[in-house]
Amino acid sequence: NAGVTQTPKFQVLKTGQSMTLQCAQDMNHNSMYWYRQDPGMGLRLIYYSASEGTTDKGEVPNGYNVSRLNKREFSLRLESAAPSQTSVYFCASSENRGRSTDTQYFGPGTRLTVL
Amino acid sequence: GQQVMQIPQYQHVQEGEDFTTYCNSSTTLSNIQWYKQRPGGHPVFLIQLVKSGEVKKQKRLTFQFGEAKKNSSLHITATQTTDVGTYFCAGIKAAGNKLTFGGGTRVLVKP
Repeated sequence: NAGVTQTPKFQVLKTGQSMTLQCAQDMNHNSMYWYRQDPGMGLRLIYYSASEGTTDKGEVPNGYNVSRLNKREFSLRLESAAPSQTSVYFCASSENRGRSTDTQYFGPGTRLTVL
Repeated sequence: GQQVMQIPQYQHVQEGEDFTTYCNSSTTLSNIQWYKQRPGGHPVFLIQLVKSGEVKKQKRLTFQFGEAKKNSSLHITATQTTDVGTYFCAGIKAAGNKLTFGGGTRVLVKP
């Protein structure tokens, strides 16, 4: 099992460009998450999908959109990138079968720079 | 909103020494999780605490959940170079389903 995979690993964008970050998990997990990590800020939740067909905003959703394409895949889109979106983006998944105690499994991250 | 604070932000430790990092929540938590992130890597789950006053050990790591379920600590004894990384606590508030991460404690070990 590959666990959680993310593409691309690195990306450089110019201000105003758009792009989609891809995430897939092969653990048959119900829930998936997108976080961003900035120095000294820990991980902040952008969007999450509790189950296939649902998505909800997290702590910092502005400037992003998501799509839960199927149970395996959860993508994050930046429609018009801004320098403030320079960050490391992590996708995560959890089993989430109605308990609030599920651990999260993280992908390797995408390092995004917006010039 | 819920806030989770960790102190210290940085910890420089001499190899072989002990240290403790602390995690404090502004609200009562249902449970708390700890993750470790190696430099350049991704967060990896270490442990979860659910019960008030719970203490769990993993080799040289001791995790504690406060009686009021609003704070937690991680104590590492006889620090080794393999302990280098950032340790995050993450809490789920009562009746919630989302993790709120603390800012992390970045641990540097001096050989």
